[in-house]
Amino acid sequence: SQQGEEDPQALSIQEGENATMNCSYKTSINNLQWYRQNSGRGLVHLILIRSNEREKHSGRLRVTLDTSKKSSSLLITASRAADTASYFCATAETSYDKVIFGPGTSLSVIP
Amino acid sequence: EAGVTQSPTHLIKTRGQQATLRCSPISGHTSVYWYQQALGLGLQFLLWYDEGEERNRGNFPPRFSGRQFPNYSSELNVNALELEDSALYLCASRRLGDPHYGYTFGSGTRLTVV
Repeated sequence: SQQGEEDPQALSIQEGENATMNCSYKTSINNLQWYRQNSGRGLVHLILIRSNEREKHSGRLRVTLDTSKKSSSLLITASRAADTASYFCATAETSYDKVIFGPGTSLSVIP
Repeated sequence: EAGVTQSPTHLIKTRGQQATLRCSPISGHTSVYWYQQALGLGLQFLLWYDEGEERNRGNFPPRFSGRQFPNYSSELNVNALELEDSALYLCASRRLGDPHYGYTFGSGTRLTVV
């Protein structure tokens, strides 16, 4: 299975701290995506990193990809209470394929 | 631009009944994906439609089926409902010609089977 797996399963930090979540996957991929889900609602696409990219930034988000280790990390800097959510990584084997989601990391940011 | 819309928001059905869930993609998006998220579990891929055709299917029994209409909206049908079908069903759309962009998800339909 190409399913990604996030680590840790749950993370609790103080507001202002940085949050790091990791994702590992098993097969070769075309791209890896990170999504956020608030309280069992729809997912919001955060960032997509292609297999030939190593790092990508979007606002307070920084994503890295190490295809040799089949892993990715999502860093949220200067976290806010509003960042409290579940975060999922998702991988696609080809550019036109469906994405497969990992089980997610539950992030709690304490004000 | 309107986002992906799903209806109904909530649906309560009795075991053995049929459920129909609807999804309207973003204008210009031709691909529609369905995912099931059971309580405490991750998102499981159900179905992928593009240009009216089923492109891929997840590991679900045949009683999960669907279709995509000429306007690219989609229906997910679940026959002979079982208690374990209770879940949040999420629909996502994408323009297939933009492979480097992620999905846009709807807010989901929460199906409860009693």
